[in-house]
Amino acid sequence: AQSVTQLDSQVPVFEEAPVELRCNYSSSVSVYLFWYVQYPNQGLQLLLKYLSGSTLVKGINGFEAEFNKSQTSFHLRKPSVHISDTAEYFCAVSDTGTASKLTFGTGTRLQVTL
Amino acid sequence: ETGVTQTPRHLVMGMTNKKSLKCEQHLGHNAMYWYKQSAKKPLELMFVYSLEERVENNSVPSRFSPECPNSSHLFLHLHTLQPEDSALYLCASSQVAGGTDYGYTFGSGTRLTVV
Repeated sequence: AQSVTQLDSQVPVFEEAPVELRCNYSSSVSVYLFWYVQYPNQGLQLLLKYLSGSTLVKGINGFEAEFNKSQTSFHLRKPSVHISDTAEYFCAVSDTGTASKLTFGTGTRLQVTL
Repeated sequence: ETGVTQTPRHLVMGMTNKKSLKCEQHLGHNAMYWYKQSAKKPLELMFVYSLEERVENNSVPSRFSPECPNSSHLFLHLHTLQPEDSALYLCASSQVAGGTDYGYTFGSGTRLTVV
């Protein structure tokens, strides 16, 4: 079984500042990793995913994440945030041997202010 | 219409009512899911239909009953719910091939309030 830890429940940041949202996972086997974003009153939207290959993954809206196997981390970054990035962000992991079952973290609320 | 569509968007029901949530995906995916999202809790996987096989989470109460008549449609039948069942119910679909899941596409959810 796998698990996901998002240490920060809330991250306040000023507009145009860089941001990093942290995600650590636990699994005894190889994993796939995902970041999703949820805007108010909406479902979750896929930001980016790591399946294999390059450990630096680029996603939509200028976000990127880096898979670090030794530290079991998949932190999400953006060099310059915008007000419209205010949302809830979820990290998720699935076991490559048993696809179709994503395990989600508890989410990080990114609050961007002027 | 594209993506994953959920209806209704909002539902208020009494504890003795029977209602159903509907989900439809137009992506040609072969797996569909129901998730429950409650405040301050991780998303909870309720049911999976993958390659037409149902996989259940044994902790889901029997007052929730899923139905998947084909690969494009998924229902969640509700009866005699409790106030703690109030939550956002999310449907998702994905394409599973060769043991790889390429990521979920979520619907906008149904906000359920049990009174």
